[in-house]
Amino acid sequence: AQSVAQPEDQVNVAEGNPLTVKCTYSVSGNPYLFWYVQYPNRGLQFLLKYITGDNLVKGSYGFEAEFNKSQTSFHLKKPSALVSDSALYFCAVRDSSYKLIFGSGTRLLVRP
Amino acid sequence: GAGVSQSPSNKVTEKGKDVELRCDPISGHTALYWYRQRLGQGLEFLIYFQGNSAPDKSGLPSDRFSAERTGESVSTLTIQRTQQEDSAVYLCASTPPSGGSYNEQFFGPGTRLTVL
Repeated sequence: AQSVAQPEDQVNVAEGNPLTVKCTYSVSGNPYLFWYVQYPNRGLQFLLKYITGDNLVKGSYGFEAEFNKSQTSFHLKKPSALVSDSALYFCAVRDSSYKLIFGSGTRLLVRP
Repeated sequence: GAGVSQSPSNKVTEKGKDVELRCDPISGHTALYWYRQRLGQGLEFLIYFQGNSAPDKSGLPSDRFSAERTGESVSTLTIQRTQQEDSAVYLCASTPPSGGSYNEQFFGPGTRLTVL
């Protein structure tokens, strides 16, 4: 069965520093990987996805993610964090079906 | 254009009562999903509608949960005889017809259900 793991409940970074939010997955077949962000009292917003092609995927708000097949990882990154990036981030995976399997989420806190 | 909308935004009910949650997907989106998000947890898949095909109900946690969709528009999630463990945020999402499984899902703001 497919699954997603986000090993960190919370990530703390200083504004201007690079950030990484970790995600590992387990699927049978080719993985389709997604990152979503959730701001307080709002629905999830799509950030980026990996379907095929280049392992480095660029998305919204300056975020990018690196697909690593050998490590079954899809870590979210940003070169320079902003205070406004503070939110809850979810990694999700879908195999050949249509369902998204979500990780438990990682809270990102960017301090000024 | 308009995004996915959900109503009500908040619902407080007493244990044992029935509730109905509504989702209006983005116009033209053929696929519609319901998820449940318990406090501090990720999203759990509940049910999936795709056009006129039979819905995938495999994620519904019990027979107290049911959902309907009228054509390719509004969907209603009904929870009968609510229990305290049903308290959660219920999220709806939709995707356009092209692209299949590759499409990202567009989420509504959710309905926060509190069962007293």
